[in-house]
Formats: sequence, C-alpha cells, structure tokens
Amino acid sequence: DAKTTQPPSMDCAEGRAANLPCNHSTISGNEYVYWYRQIHSQGPQYIIHGLKNNETNEMASLIITEDRKSSTLILPHATLRDTAVYYCIVRVVSDYKLSFGAGTTVTVRA
Amino acid sequence: DTGVSQDPRHKITKRGQNVTFRCDPISEHNRLYWYRQTLGQGPEFLTYFQNEAQLEKSRLLSDRFSAERPKGSFSTLEIQRTEQGDSAMYLCASSPAQPGYGYTFGSGTRLTVV
Repeated sequence: DAKTTQPPSMDCAEGRAANLPCNHSTISGNEYVYWYRQIHSQGPQYIIHGLKNNETNEMASLIITEDRKSSTLILPHATLRDTAVYYCIVRVVSDYKLSFGAGTTVTVRA
Repeated sequence: DTGVSQDPRHKITKRGQNVTFRCDPISEHNRLYWYRQTLGQGPEFLTYFQNEAQLEKSRLLSDRFSAERPKGSFSTLEIQRTEQGDSAMYLCASSPAQPGYGYTFGSGTRLTVV
C-alpha cells in the first residue's frame, strides 16, 4: 500500500534535465518526501528529501508543490550513469522504515 | 569510511541448507536495517536494530529467519532450512540515530536457492 504514484518508466537524453514526477495526494503534514535511486546490482542510494520547501544538493533538486500533493525530482544534466530506478517515498521523519514502491525506471540515452 | 559492507555478494545454496549473511554498517551509525528485494520489486523491510536491540521484525521474517547485532556493531542474518522462495537480494542499511538522515545501503547479498 504505497503512498506514492510514479510512472513506471521514462527516457531522457544525455545532458538534458530529467524531471521525475511523483504523486502523494494523501501526504500528511508531518511526512517528508524522500528520493532514492537504485542502479543495477547495487543497493538504493539516498538522493534528497524535503518537507515543503524546494531543496537542492549536489545530486538533484526537489520541487514540492504548494499543496504538497506532488513533487518533482530534477536531475539537471543527466548522464548515462544516472540510469537507474528512482523511488519516491513519503515518511514521517521519526519513522525508521522506508516503504518502497515499484519506482520509475529512468533510462538515459546518448 | 568505506560505507556499508555486505558479505558475501552472492550465495548459491541448496534447498534446506542454512545460510548466514553479514553486514558491517558505517561505524558511527547506531541504526541498522535489513531489507529484502525480489526481482522487479522495491525493497521490503525485514527488521531494524538500534544498537544491539532488535526493535521490530516484519511479518515477512518467518521463524526460519534470525538476525543479530552483537555489541551494536556488525549484524548477521541467518536463514535456516532455505526454500526457493527465499531467493532474493538481501540489503543492509544503516543510519545515524538523529531523525531525518537518509540511509546508507550496502550492495546487498544475492541469494539463490536451488
């Protein structure tokens, strides 16, 4: 019973921005949005998280809508190494469990 | 800091045998988690330790599964009398005690039961 909805797959051209959408229409006020990615044959990798403000780090930017019902992960300049499954997860920050859905398989093409 | 280490990376075993996996978390992390991932699915939570205390076990963790974290450092996950349905990737992760930090996952142990 995942709390998020993501497209199953998307393609992106190398060097272009990749915009990954996530719907979380039932998000609670104390739940954060987390993004992880999993490159083939590796464990998931933490990317970014946020509550309501937009966030940016060296890997990506997270844009959360004002009503918090959806968000977008932006990879500003996608490379072939960004090909992975991307998971959007909502959780209360004090909750230790992560509930993964099926994620979005992102393929970056040269 | 070498991150979270898991050993072995791959394990093939015959049905009915026992297997044990090891996880070495980031040394300053006192929380440790085990997840299981089958092909095409996202990881599923199995169990969680804070220091040496096992604080929660998922219903996925049948009585054939046992996890330990002696002295709050490395952890082991043992599966007794393995079944073909146990074939999966077993992932370990760790995190600091402070809330809000992302987890650091290991590369996993891929178990194949034949």
